[in-house]
Order: sequence, then C-alpha cells, then structure tokens
Amino acid sequence: ILNVEQSPQSLHVQEGDSTNFTCSFPSSNFYALHWYRWETAKSPEALFVMTLNGDEKKKGRISATLNTKEGYSYLYIKGSQPEDSATYLCASHGSGSARQLTFGSGTQLTVLP
Amino acid sequence: DAMVIQNPRYQVTQFGKPVTLSCSQTLNHNVMYWYQQKSSQAPKLLFHYYDKDFNNEADTPDNFQSRRPNTSFCFLDIRSPGLGDAAMYLCATSRDQSGYTFGSGTRLTVV
Repeated sequence: ILNVEQSPQSLHVQEGDSTNFTCSFPSSNFYALHWYRWETAKSPEALFVMTLNGDEKKKGRISATLNTKEGYSYLYIKGSQPEDSATYLCASHGSGSARQLTFGSGTQLTVLP
Repeated sequence: DAMVIQNPRYQVTQFGKPVTLSCSQTLNHNVMYWYQQKSSQAPKLLFHYYDKDFNNEADTPDNFQSRRPNTSFCFLDIRSPGLGDAAMYLCATSRDQSGYTFGSGTRLTVV
C-alpha cells in the first residue's frame, strides 16, 4: 500500500512571493507522480505527470521536480497570485496491476493580495 | 467539451435513508473511480471499474455499493448513510494507467 505525504498542510503567502511544497512517496515500484490543482467548487485539474528521475516540468509560473530514488517531488510557484489559491494534490501509483492513484492530503495555498 | 459530470453538486440526506450519487463521462475512458474525501484528508479510493470489472477496496464499508450500467455512467449507492459518511465524493475517469479526469464532486451532508 502506498503512503503519499504532503507538507505543509496549509500555507499563506503574500502576492508576489514565491513558494514551494513537498510530496513524498515510496520509491519502490515507482511508476508516475501526478500533481493536481483543486480550486474551490471546481474539478481537480491536472498540472503535471512525471515519470523519470530528475524530471523537471514547467507550466507558466508553476514548475515541479521529481526524485524517484529518494521518493520526493517539489512543486514551485514563482510570484504567487491570488488566483493560485487552491489545494495542490499529489498522487502516485505503482507499476503493474495497481492502476489506481494514491493521493496525499494536499497543501492548501492561500495567496493574500 | 469532453468532461466528467457529477450530480448533484450538493446532496443532503437523512440518516439511514438510501442515497445515490451519479457520475457521467463523455471521454470514453474505460476506467471509472469513486473517491471519498473528508475534511483535510487525502481522497480515499472506495472502488473502481476497469471496463466492466468491479474492484472494491478492502476497507470500503459494505454500506457503499456501485453500479456501472454502461461506459458513460457510474453510480455510488450508500444504503444507510451515517453521520460519518458526510464527505466530498469525487468521481474520476482514466484510460488505463493515464492521469485522471475528475468531476467537480458531490458534497454529501447527512442530517
């Protein structure tokens, strides 16, 4: 059974600040790591899918890195804006028959104007 | 636009009164999932359908059932809701082991 941990649980930053948060996951039988952004009253939205050790992906002001050997991923937001306020979920699933994703509890980000 | 739709967005049910949540998709994805998320906790997988094959998680209570009459629809039935079943219920779809597409969830309140 996978255990995916995220920290911090919640975070308040000022508009314009850069921030980052962590997702840790078991490194054995790793298949892929997913990041989602979940805004209130909306569907969780896929940000990144990462599979290779050392992967770095970027989408606008948001980027993510992956270390599969030590089992962690960082999500970075540069120059946070109020519209970045959301819960950021990471999820991992192992290879083989474990098709389903196991989620962390999320990091709730609030960007204050 | 292709999407995953959950109805209703908010559902209030009485303690012990059966309730059904619905999920539909236009993506033609072969896998559909139901997750339960309680406040500040990780979404927890209840069960999923891989095509027509039903896969129940070992710790999903018997009180929770699911039906998938066709590729597009999947239902979550709670036979006798208790106060502890109040949560956000998320439906998601995927094609094999790809990433998920989520619905916007149904928030269930039990009174």
